[in-house]
Amino acid sequence: DADVTQTPRNRITKTGKRIMLECSQTKGHDRMYWYRQDPGLGLRLIYYSFDVKDINKGEISDGYSVSRQAQAKFSLSLESAIPNQTALYFCATSALTGDYGYTFGSGTRLTVV
Amino acid sequence: GQQLNQSPQSMFIQEGEDVSMNCTSSSIFNTWLWYKQDPGEGPVLLIALYKAGELTSNGRLTAQFGITRKDSFLNISASIPSDVGIYFCAGELIQGAQKLVFGQGTRLTINP
Repeated sequence: DADVTQTPRNRITKTGKRIMLECSQTKGHDRMYWYRQDPGLGLRLIYYSFDVKDINKGEISDGYSVSRQAQAKFSLSLESAIPNQTALYFCATSALTGDYGYTFGSGTRLTVV
Repeated sequence: GQQLNQSPQSMFIQEGEDVSMNCTSSSIFNTWLWYKQDPGEGPVLLIALYKAGELTSNGRLTAQFGITRKDSFLNISASIPSDVGIYFCAGELIQGAQKLVFGQGTRLTINP
């Protein structure tokens, strides 16, 4: 099984619909992140959480919300999806201390029509 | 907004050629990392650099943390077909914050 699992892998949804992307990890890491990838723009941080009671906005949080249900689970919600939220979304984890290498999930490809 | 400038954005090379890509910034970074993304997958860490001037190798890959702390490069020697993918640089602005900023990516295509 993958260390960081994202569901669903692919999703097509209509404008205005609410959608939730889920992420779970078996790494035992405290820190979890949601990134968005767009061609030519790299990875941009949406939200991050350093522990269950900690939620922080990233550089592009507008239109998104998150929930850290447990140390191992971090979900991203689009309350009312719009077409420019069509992108590849990645969840990542990192340890509280030690090396700086994030572990990424395999991504969720979201299309808003 | 984007604080890392990665170049080139794409490269088309012949198998066996060497590859060089770099990232620059107007800000000072305390950590530089290089990731590779295969199609349909998330990025995977290749090399991590923690000190200015540090030169680190991982097989055919070599990366350096610039002396000014504002840049880093990644070299791939003797490219092979499995090197195809998107390469990202990433940096940490404030030490210990563990919040990375990513470059725009370099898409590498190899002609056999």
